[in-house]
Amino acid sequence: EIVLTQSPGTLSLSPGERATLSCRASQSVSSNYLAWYQQKPGQAPRLLIYSASSRATGIPDRFSGSGSGTDFTLTISRLEPEDFAVYYCQQHVGSWTFGLGTRVEIK
Amino acid sequence: EVQLLESGGGLVQPGGSLRLSCAASGFTFRSNAMSWVRQAPGKGLEWVSAISGGGDRTYYADSMKGRFTISRDNSKNTLSLQMNSLRPEDTASYYCAKELVLGAVGTVGFDIWGQGTMVTVSS
Repeated sequence: EIVLTQSPGTLSLSPGERATLSCRASQSVSSNYLAWYQQKPGQAPRLLIYSASSRATGIPDRFSGSGSGTDFTLTISRLEPEDFAVYYCQQHVGSWTFGLGTRVEIK
Repeated sequence: EVQLLESGGGLVQPGGSLRLSCAASGFTFRSNAMSWVRQAPGKGLEWVSAISGGGDRTYYADSMKGRFTISRDNSKNTLSLQMNSLRPEDTASYYCAKELVLGAVGTVGFDIWGQGTMVTVSS
């Protein structure tokens, strides 16, 4: 089973700053099958990025994804107040697995 | 409006059973693969099971094989998860999710989620 390691565990930033979140896989993952989700307290996850770099429907362009092989990145260009949340990466090689998440909190 | 609505959660004793349901609306249910994903309190996300649009192919996480059974009724736009031999570590919110499929590439993520139903396994 592929393990996804997300870093950092917590990111403390101010609104307007740039957020860079990392997701590292224990084995190579096809870019087609790497996704990112946002989850706010008490809510279901929301798909942000699929196929490593494609934005899901309705996702603002301040969210972008990149990477290949074992290293993937989610970037939020300028944090808005509603972006403070937990972010998960997900892969599909064999079965689906998620990383443990990165919490983006207000500094 | 595209919507998924889970039900059936509750408190159950260890070793007991529970059946979760997910009612789908706003999209062509029979054409879409579906999954269950769970989240223990304060923890991350864990994929549980998936089923093809026609219901002929099912998939399970290793820790759920033999205990959980996923099924669907396309005539009623309903997804189900039968959970047997429940353990305290199965305590979680259970979400149903619609899979986003890109042609020959297949499933690339889960684009629609329900609000979740809480399952608590405790004596």
